[in-house]
Amino acid sequence: DTEVTQTPKHLVMGMTNKKSLKCEQHMGHRAMYWYKQKAKKPPELMFVYSYEKLSINESVPSRFSPECPNSSLLNLHLHALQPEDSALYLCASSPRDNYEQYFGPGTRLTVT
Amino acid sequence: RKEVEQDPGPFNVPEGATVAFNCTYSNSASQSFFWYRQDCRKEPKLLMSVYSSGNEDGRFTAQLNRASQYISLLIRDSKLSDSATYLCVVGGGSQGNLIFGKGTKLSVKP
Repeated sequence: DTEVTQTPKHLVMGMTNKKSLKCEQHMGHRAMYWYKQKAKKPPELMFVYSYEKLSINESVPSRFSPECPNSSLLNLHLHALQPEDSALYLCASSPRDNYEQYFGPGTRLTVT
Repeated sequence: RKEVEQDPGPFNVPEGATVAFNCTYSNSASQSFFWYRQDCRKEPKLLMSVYSSGNEDGRFTAQLNRASQYISLLIRDSKLSDSATYLCVVGGGSQGNLIFGKGTKLSVKP
């Protein structure tokens, strides 16, 4: 089973809202990732968790806050977003760093 | 030099054609190599890993040339369903993450 699930599929939020994106995998993978993808661009890495510890933060604004409650779950907390943050947010997992990554279907976020 | 560079595309080919995508990478310490495909408004899906010995999966053949830091993907007998964006992905950087190329769009026409 190479399934990564993400909720919600779509999210519309105002600039003053607080919301969270959720990601789950049950493949025993020890690395999990958040990416942001704009139209016609490749995925852009935001955060990497390795063995439940944040190992990479690619200079992402503090209005994005990741959380890894356990080895199967990854959250992305959103607060005071800007319209330019509208994008597809992808979660991925991997057995270990540098191994193949499996992506969830993404959350399509619109900030109004 | 960009870390992972791909043919800009788009590639517009008729059904049944053979099409080849090329990719170069800048970090000679890279350890892992992949091709992903991404359909419009969907997530990237792993197509195949790429090994030094080359590997084949049905109509798809991937090759790696470490000396030239070059990766290729060959698709034979193209199908309409092969229409997608193909992403060249390289791992093994200092931070252990994957580096994505910008992708090459393929359109297979009837």
